[in-house]
Amino acid sequence: DQQVKQNSPSLSVQEGRISILNCDYTNSMFDYFLWYKKYPAEGPTFLISISSIKDKNEDGRFTVFLNKSAKHLSLHIVPSQPGDSAVYFCAARLTGANSKLTFGKGITLSVRP
Amino acid sequence: GAVVSQHPSWVICKSGTSVKIECRSLDFQATTMFWYRQFPKQSLMLMATSNEGSKATYEQGVEKDKFLINHASLTLSTLTVTSAHPEDSSFYICSASRKSNSPLHFGNGTRLTVT
Repeated sequence: DQQVKQNSPSLSVQEGRISILNCDYTNSMFDYFLWYKKYPAEGPTFLISISSIKDKNEDGRFTVFLNKSAKHLSLHIVPSQPGDSAVYFCAARLTGANSKLTFGKGITLSVRP
Repeated sequence: GAVVSQHPSWVICKSGTSVKIECRSLDFQATTMFWYRQFPKQSLMLMATSNEGSKATYEQGVEKDKFLINHASLTLSTLTVTSAHPEDSSFYICSASRKSNSPLHFGNGTRLTVT
């Protein structure tokens, strides 16, 4: 049973435009959400996170939005750059789970020059 | 810079042999490390939680006798794939966090190919 879902396997965006990556979850006990970026043959790199007590967190070009009632979060990248092309994983953590994360399947973002 | 180092980055072994993968936290002590596995186009699946000085905690469906985990020091955890078979071929990634409830940092992963 997939508790963290990234339903779109891929997204293609023109350089300079906004990339919106979506993630849904089913477990209401998740209290912390993270986005990781992954290049082929490398481990994931932490990008940005958000606590369940917030609905928005911004870091430079990256903003994560959380809608708890809808159990939905999204990562916005603006402006998108070719170097952003990678696989993006959404991850969630249960309350008190000592950093143990549940990951979505990832979405492949391609930013066209 | 990298905070979690994983070695080797890739390994090819023959069926029936064992392979050891090391995971080190570079500038912090990690009482807990996590081992993940990723199949192509799939999510990262947690295999086990490595606890320094005690037994690892395995996720459901992961054979503890097949995937031996040792966390003998605060900066090193090892995963040994015993009697490897072709279906064990995968991308194995370890992770650790600087402190409880902070984001996990991942190693660069190990691509295991069993022939």
